[in-house]
Amino acid sequence: EAQVTQNPRYLITVTGKKLTVTCSQNMNHEYMSWYRQDPGLGLRQIYYSMNVEVTDKGDVPEGYKVSRKEKRNFPLILESPSPNQTSLYFCASRPPGVVKQYFGPGTRLTVT
Amino acid sequence: EDQVTQSPEALRLQEGESSSLNCSYTVSGLRGLFWYRQDPGKGPEFLFTLYSAGEEKEKERLKATLTKKESFLHITAPKPEDSATYLCAVQATPNDYKLSFGAGTTVTVRA
Repeated sequence: EAQVTQNPRYLITVTGKKLTVTCSQNMNHEYMSWYRQDPGLGLRQIYYSMNVEVTDKGDVPEGYKVSRKEKRNFPLILESPSPNQTSLYFCASRPPGVVKQYFGPGTRLTVT
Repeated sequence: EDQVTQSPEALRLQEGESSSLNCSYTVSGLRGLFWYRQDPGKGPEFLFTLYSAGEEKEKERLKATLTKKESFLHITAPKPEDSATYLCAVQATPNDYKLSFGAGTTVTVRA
């Protein structure tokens, strides 16, 4: 089944404790993105990747890092999480062109 | 900078009461406008892609239309299972990698 998976689905952590949210897709898509979703603000792009070893900043990259060492994986790294990074995070992938994105199920992160 | 604005923020409908959602956009060059449906706590699910003004797409009780400045999502005779948040997004030149989303319209359909 074609899908985007994220782990963990739920995470509660404390300020400053490094964490990684994994994202994997099995559709051989070139493009992958990370979004955060906050009430009233919609989905905002954090980082995106056009292919292996090619990444760029989205609208809200501060406090986040990403890497794309393999085509299928695109982990999101929070080196020193802060409470303002409490949010619902989505990973997405798509092939090149003007085509739909496939979204993962989301990761709800709470930073206390 | 691309801007996408959706209205209203929330819509409460009686079952069978048709209505429309609006998505207005300001972009340098539209390549595609997308509609997604999102259920609480889940990832967005793709509904439609519209590419040029005048285009229309239909799926069951939903119909999406596009003009040069806005898109409408018409819900005809809605059922409770149509309750969800509907998201509009645009893909535009020169940054083809980016998808800019509106904040969404939350639709509640009462039986």
